[in-house]
Amino acid sequence: QKEVEQDPGPLSVPEGAIVSLNCTYSNSAFQYFMWYRQYSRKGPELLMYTYSSGNKEDGRFTAQVDKSSKYISLFIRDSQPSDSATYLCAMSAGGYNKLIFGAGTRLAVHP
Amino acid sequence: DSGVTQTPKHLITATGQRVTLRCSPRSGDLSVYWYQQSLDQGLQFLIQYYNGEERAKGNILERFSAQQFPDLHSELNLSSLELGDSALYFCASSVQGHSYEQYFGPGTRLTVT
Repeated sequence: QKEVEQDPGPLSVPEGAIVSLNCTYSNSAFQYFMWYRQYSRKGPELLMYTYSSGNKEDGRFTAQVDKSSKYISLFIRDSQPSDSATYLCAMSAGGYNKLIFGAGTRLAVHP
Repeated sequence: DSGVTQTPKHLITATGQRVTLRCSPRSGDLSVYWYQQSLDQGLQFLIQYYNGEERAKGNILERFSAQQFPDLHSELNLSSLELGDSALYFCASSVQGHSYEQYFGPGTRLTVT
């Protein structure tokens, strides 16, 4: 079993929809939870990170962490065609511990 | 633009050869990380350096090595290349102690023929 599980999709939604992306994990030592966006053949771009449980909002993006269920989510409101990309979740126990990435979910937002 | 630079963008070489990938971290970042991304393996952590010293090792092959220089740029050396080494290689950097907040470079696409 992988430490981080993420449905690879693809996920196809119409423009303006609310998108929900999710990851589950097994390592209870994880304290930091990140979401990266990766356009085709580009480097991953850090969208936001959350420490421990709770919600964090940044514009149209909201990250949620539920440590009791070992489940994290990224919500995208009013999705745009420019949001079409692969979204990677990543987790870390903090400090010098390495990031563990999910496989990534490919999202397509069509006009 | 993350501020992390990588050269070259593309590299095509033959099996058995050796290549060097270069990375310059964001200004002020002391930690450098190397990752390999292939279609079937996803994003895999290779190795981390902090201020010139190796800090963590992931699934890095013995044929691969890296170092971080006093000016904080880093190089990843890949030798005795095999077809399966074809992948995107990313460098990321972070400020001291914030290994969870990593900023990635544009990557080097390596093709081994």
